[in-house]
Amino acid sequence: AQSVTQPDIHITVSEGASLELRCNYSYGATPYLFWYVQSPGQGLQLLLKYFSGDTLVQGIKGFEAEFKRSQSSFNLRKPSVHWSDAAEYFCAVGGVLTGGGNKLTFGTGTQLKVEL
Amino acid sequence: KAGVTQTPRYLIKTRGQQVTLSCSPISGHRSVSWYQQTPGQGLQFLFEYFSETQRNKGNFPGRFSGRQFSNSRSEMNVSTLELGDSALYLCASSSGTGATEAFFGQGTRLTVV
Repeated sequence: AQSVTQPDIHITVSEGASLELRCNYSYGATPYLFWYVQSPGQGLQLLLKYFSGDTLVQGIKGFEAEFKRSQSSFNLRKPSVHWSDAAEYFCAVGGVLTGGGNKLTFGTGTQLKVEL
Repeated sequence: KAGVTQTPRYLIKTRGQQVTLSCSPISGHRSVSWYQQTPGQGLQFLFEYFSETQRNKGNFPGRFSGRQFSNSRSEMNVSTLELGDSALYLCASSSGTGATEAFFGQGTRLTVV
């Protein structure tokens, strides 16, 4: 069974500081990995994705993530956080199922607070 | 290009009633998936429809059902509502073939009283 662990429920950083959100996954085959961001009462916005190839992927809003197969991790990073980055961040794992199609399994999310 | 549209945005229903939620995917996308988000259980997969057929299903009771139309629009129905069905219901749109990302709508906030 596939699963995702986001060990940090809440993280607080100062504006301008660097950010790293942790994500560990369990998946039987080659995983597809995603990071989504959610503002209060809103849907999920895709930040970046990893399917294959280069293990360092760039996303929107200056975010990047690195896939480390040996550590089963897909941590999200940003060099300098802006106040508008305050939101909840979800890591997700998926893959093509036997009968086709995708099913995403999400972590429990990390709530990011940015101090001015 | 228009995004994923979910209607209505908010709903209040009484226990025992039924409800239908709607999702219009991104033009050209043939797969629609539904997720339930609650504070206690987080984001959970309900089911996925592709070309009018349910292709995958999560672990939810039969009260939760869905369908997809020929234009890829999808509806989700919940019958005999329970208080625990109060949640944000999210629809995700994808091409449905191979490795593909999912794009989410704004969600429908369902409150059962």
